[in-house]
Amino acid sequence: EPEVTQTPSHQVTQMGQEVILRCVPISNHLYFYWYRQILGQKVEFLVSFYNNEISEKSEIFDDQFSVERPDGSNFTLKIRSTKLEDSAMYFCASSGSTTGSPLHFGNGTRLTVT
Amino acid sequence: LAKTTQPISMDSYEGQEVNITCSHNNIATNDYITWYQQFPSQGPRFIIQGYKTKVTNEVASLFIPADRKSSTLSLPRVSLSDTAVYYCLVGDMGGNTDKLIFGTGTRLQVFP
Repeated sequence: EPEVTQTPSHQVTQMGQEVILRCVPISNHLYFYWYRQILGQKVEFLVSFYNNEISEKSEIFDDQFSVERPDGSNFTLKIRSTKLEDSAMYFCASSGSTTGSPLHFGNGTRLTVT
Repeated sequence: LAKTTQPISMDSYEGQEVNITCSHNNIATNDYITWYQQFPSQGPRFIIQGYKTKVTNEVASLFIPADRKSSTLSLPRVSLSDTAVYYCLVGDMGGNTDKLIFGTGTRLQVFP
């Protein structure tokens, strides 16, 4: 069964540094998402992406964050000038083009900002 | 966006059937109801999705009454490995996608 893959599984960075989290969505999917989950809290929506542009974003997704689909397979989340409170699990998801297509999630990248 | 309400936690024993109900009073006509399962340090995993009536797959059943204002996820004969958090989401998913909001979910604990 096709799956969403994310790399790295764990990223440690120092406060103020930039990180790029990478995702390979399911190959025939057209909609892409990033969510995050702070330890012990609920899964929070960050951004959705379709047709090479952001279609929705939450209030969390401010100028510190950006997304990109640099080629036909990868989908990246860049976090600039990381803060301690950015420490969380970051999940990528993708879905198909038909109405009702469910989201399929990767297993996440655990980001630790020290 | 339709908001969902679920019990915060449930306990069960191995071999029992577990039913988790989700309320979504302001569900829209185009919205589907989707349930996810999440284990610690893993991404949410799709379990089942439905629009109305009953849907069954190899792991669960989903019951949706005619008014669609609630839904019930049924897990037959749970095992210890079913201990997880279960989320009910309502939205139109792919296609005309809107952001999908996770609630706090239901933490299911299965005991031997």
